[in-house]
Amino acid sequence: GDSVTQMEGPVTLSEEAFLTINCTYTATGYPSLFWYVQYPGEGLQLLLKATKADDKGSNKGFEATYRKETTSFHLEKGSVQVSDSAVYFCALSALGQGQGAQKLVFGQGTRLTINP
Amino acid sequence: DGGITQSPKYLFRKEGQNVTLSCEQNLNHDAMYWYRQDPGQGLRLIYYSQIVNDFQKGDIAEGYSVSREKKESFPLTVTSAQKNPTAFYLCASSIGGGVGEQFFGPGTRLTVL
Repeated sequence: GDSVTQMEGPVTLSEEAFLTINCTYTATGYPSLFWYVQYPGEGLQLLLKATKADDKGSNKGFEATYRKETTSFHLEKGSVQVSDSAVYFCALSALGQGQGAQKLVFGQGTRLTINP
Repeated sequence: DGGITQSPKYLFRKEGQNVTLSCEQNLNHDAMYWYRQDPGQGLRLIYYSQIVNDFQKGDIAEGYSVSREKKESFPLTVTSAQKNPTAFYLCASSIGGGVGEQFFGPGTRLTVL
C-alpha cells in the first residue's frame, strides 16, 4: 500500500542554520504531496503542498519540490528561527473507499528544535 | 471565522466507559476524518466520511464508532472494546471530491484512568 517515510528525529539546529527534512514515498498513481506542521498541543496546519511532478510548494520560507524520479518531497529552509520549532509531517493523498474518496497517509513526523 | 471545533480539549474517563468526542465544522466541507496520534508516532486514520450518512473504516477502526447524521458534525465514540484508548485525537475535514488537502481541528487529549 501507499506509505511515507521521513527522516528520523529529533533534529536540533541553531538559529539561522539550513534545514533539510527528508521525505520519500511509495504510491500507486500520482498522489499530491503535503507538509504539515504541528505546534505543541495543537492540531496540524498545512505548511505547503505540491500536486504534480516538478511542482515546488513554498510557504513561510519553507520549500519542497515534488521529485517523481526519486519519489521524494524533502522540506528545506535556508535560515531557521526559534519559532520554527515544531513537529513536521510529510503526507500523500491516496484513494479511499467510495467514489472520489481521498485520504491522507502520513509519515511518522520529525521533531525539530531550534536553539537561539 | 470558519474552522473545525473539537471539544473538550482534555477528557478523562474511567476504564470500561464509552466516551464520545465532538467534531464540528462550518467550512461546508463534504468529507470528514478522525485520526489518532500517539507520542512519537504519525497519525493513524480511524474512520472517514465522504458524505452524510456514509462512512468507511480506516486503518485502526476496531473499538471505535462514528456517525454522520449532519454535514457539519462527525462525532467519534471510543468504546470499552478499544484496548488502549489513551491518545490525542484529531478531527479533520476536506472539500471532498478527490481534493487531498485536509484542515485539522485543535485535537482532544483523552486519558483513560
